[in-house]
Amino acid sequence: TQLLEQSPQFLSIQEGENLTVYCNSSSVFSSLQWYRQEPGEGPVLLVTVVTGGEVKKLKRLTFQFGDARKDSSLHITAAQPGDTGLYLCAVPHAHTGTASKLTFGTGTRLQVTL
Amino acid sequence: NAGVTQTPKFQVLKTGQSMTLQCAQDMNHEYMSWYRQDPGMGLRLIHYSVGAGITDQGEVPNGYNVSRSTTEDFPLRLLSAAPSQTSVYFCASSYLGGNTEAFFGQGTRLTVV
Repeated sequence: TQLLEQSPQFLSIQEGENLTVYCNSSSVFSSLQWYRQEPGEGPVLLVTVVTGGEVKKLKRLTFQFGDARKDSSLHITAAQPGDTGLYLCAVPHAHTGTASKLTFGTGTRLQVTL
Repeated sequence: NAGVTQTPKFQVLKTGQSMTLQCAQDMNHEYMSWYRQDPGMGLRLIHYSVGAGITDQGEVPNGYNVSRSTTEDFPLRLLSAAPSQTSVYFCASSYLGGNTEAFFGQGTRLTVV
C-alpha cells in the first residue's frame, strides 16, 4: 500500500493552460513538501507546508495543505514549458524520531508544450 | 557550491559483480540517505544515516550495504548485482529535524545485465 498517492500520473498540456495535481493519503502528517525533478537531475524542493489549510504561492504555483493535513494540491497557472518535470510530494517519518527521513509519492509527470 | 556529488553518473554491471556508488556532501549535513527511483514507483528509501558511525535500513535495503565513517561521505555498496537492481540511484542530505530541505545529487543510472 502506497502511503502517498499522487494524481494524475501523467499530464500533457499546452502552454498557457492551468492545471492541478494532487497528493492524497489516509494518514495525518506534521508537514508536507513538494519537489520538482527535471530530466537527468535530482529533485529540488519547491515548498514546505506545515499548517492545515495553509496556502503558499511561488510565482505561478499555488500549494495548499488540506485542513486535516492528509492531502495537498499544487495548482499551476498559465503553465510554461519550463514547468515540465516530475512533481513529487514527500512527508516525514516523524513517528520514527527521524523527521528528516522522507517518504515520497509516486509523482506526477507534467509535460508542457508550445 | 558543490552540494551533493554522486559518482559515477552511469554504470553497467554484469550480474554478480560488486561496486560502490559514491556520495559526498559539503554542507555539513548530519542526515544522509540513498534512494532508488524506478518508473511508476517514485523514490524508495534504501538506507539512511543520522551521523557518522550510525546507519539504518530503509524500505528496500536488501542487496545493499552502507557505512558512514565521516560526516561528508556515504557510499552505497552493491554486494552482488542483480538485474532487479537496475535503477537510478539518488543520494540526499539534509540537516536533522523536521521541515528541513533535502538536497539531492544528480543520480547514478545503473544497468545490471
